[in-house]
Amino acid sequence: NAGVTQTPKFRVLKTGQSMTLLCAQDMNHEYMYWYRQDPGMGLRLIHYSVGEGTTAKGEVPDGYNVSRLKKQNFLLGLESAAPSQTSVYFCASTLPSPPRGEQFFGPGTRLTVL
Amino acid sequence: DQQVKQNSPSLSVQEGRISILNCDYTNSMFDYFLWYKKYPAEGPTFLISISSIKDKNEDGRFTVFLNKSAKHLSLHIVPSQPGDSAVYFCAATTSGSARQLTFGSGTQLTVLP
Repeated sequence: NAGVTQTPKFRVLKTGQSMTLLCAQDMNHEYMYWYRQDPGMGLRLIHYSVGEGTTAKGEVPDGYNVSRLKKQNFLLGLESAAPSQTSVYFCASTLPSPPRGEQFFGPGTRLTVL
Repeated sequence: DQQVKQNSPSLSVQEGRISILNCDYTNSMFDYFLWYKKYPAEGPTFLISISSIKDKNEDGRFTVFLNKSAKHLSLHIVPSQPGDSAVYFCAATTSGSARQLTFGSGTQLTVLP
């Protein structure tokens, strides 16, 4: 089991460029999430999905779009990157009723927008 | 409005002693509280959790205490080991929110040998 994987691990963009971050999980989890982490702050939820074909906004959704075409994949898109989107992005997944309430996280993608 | 707060950005403890990390919350609808551990350049890993219907949960060297009347929880690590040095995040969730996690800002624990 690979768990939750994220690609790429690192990326540098110029302002206005677009990119897509890919998250994949092999645990057959229904729920998937995208968070961002900034220095001195905890993780903040960007978007989430409770199943294939469904997505919803989290706490900080502006400037991002997501898609969940397959159960195992959750894509995060930046259409026109801004320096404020420089951050570390984490994907997570879980079951609808996890026994300990936990989510499982990927290793992160470090994005720098110049 | 921070619903989950960790007021200590850092904590240093001697190896073998007890580490106590604290967390406060404001939303009384939270029904699960979790602690995650994070090493640099890695994703957070689940450590221990507690349901809102309990006041203590223990797993090896780790114990989480929940005081609902004070809206406060704490993580005790005893004995502390150098490998415990990491950032610890407190998080909370509710069953009606698609299990979204609300995180505190984290506490950097350093265990000195």
